[in-house]
Amino acid sequence: GAGVSQSPRYKVAKRGQDVALRCDPISGHVSLFWYQQALGQGPEFLTYFQNEAQLDKSGLPSDRFFAERPEGSVSTLKIQRTQQEDSAVYLCASSPGQGPSYEQYFGPGTRLTVT
Amino acid sequence: AQTVTQSQPEMSVQEAETVTLSCTYDTSENNYYLFWYKQPPSRQMILVIRQEAYKQQNATENRFSVNFQKAAKSFSLKISDSQLGDTAMYFCAFRPDSNYQLIWGAGTKLIIKP
Repeated sequence: GAGVSQSPRYKVAKRGQDVALRCDPISGHVSLFWYQQALGQGPEFLTYFQNEAQLDKSGLPSDRFFAERPEGSVSTLKIQRTQQEDSAVYLCASSPGQGPSYEQYFGPGTRLTVT
Repeated sequence: AQTVTQSQPEMSVQEAETVTLSCTYDTSENNYYLFWYKQPPSRQMILVIRQEAYKQQNATENRFSVNFQKAAKSFSLKISDSQLGDTAMYFCAFRPDSNYQLIWGAGTKLIIKP
């Protein structure tokens, strides 16, 4: 079966541009997470969706970051007016349930480079 | 604040040897889950093993086992009979029952030499 997919895999943006990163979770998975992974670091939580509801967005670093999952399936992470510090790999994960015991399945990530 | 610390940035062992990766965490929560994830050079994160804090028995998955010391807040990963395919970044992560966030360590780069 298909796993979590993310597109694009690589994105180069000039400083100040807006970008949109897409995540296709495993079909039927209730929970969806976004993480930011800087080079040589562990991931950091950005936001969490349960179906279409964004239940936690406390990890979004600024109001330039916005995420949505309007139909409870595909999710988009949008970054407005990109800055160099936004350069990172953005990981998406989905999970069949909402509790912490459920395994999170990760996508391959989108590597964003802001020049 | 809840934190996860991996004190070994890099480790290297010969194939077939046993290696232990360390992880400590800090929390005031009583109920939580601990995880070890593997991230090979292709970058797709894969769950290796998980431990529920209320379970005293250490989790085991084939060649992978953990040593969970709740009082010491320690959660180390032991890989037995290491294989070349075990070469990867290994991340320790923690998730309390009370919220949705996975909190991650900085990772340990493990190299298995032939």
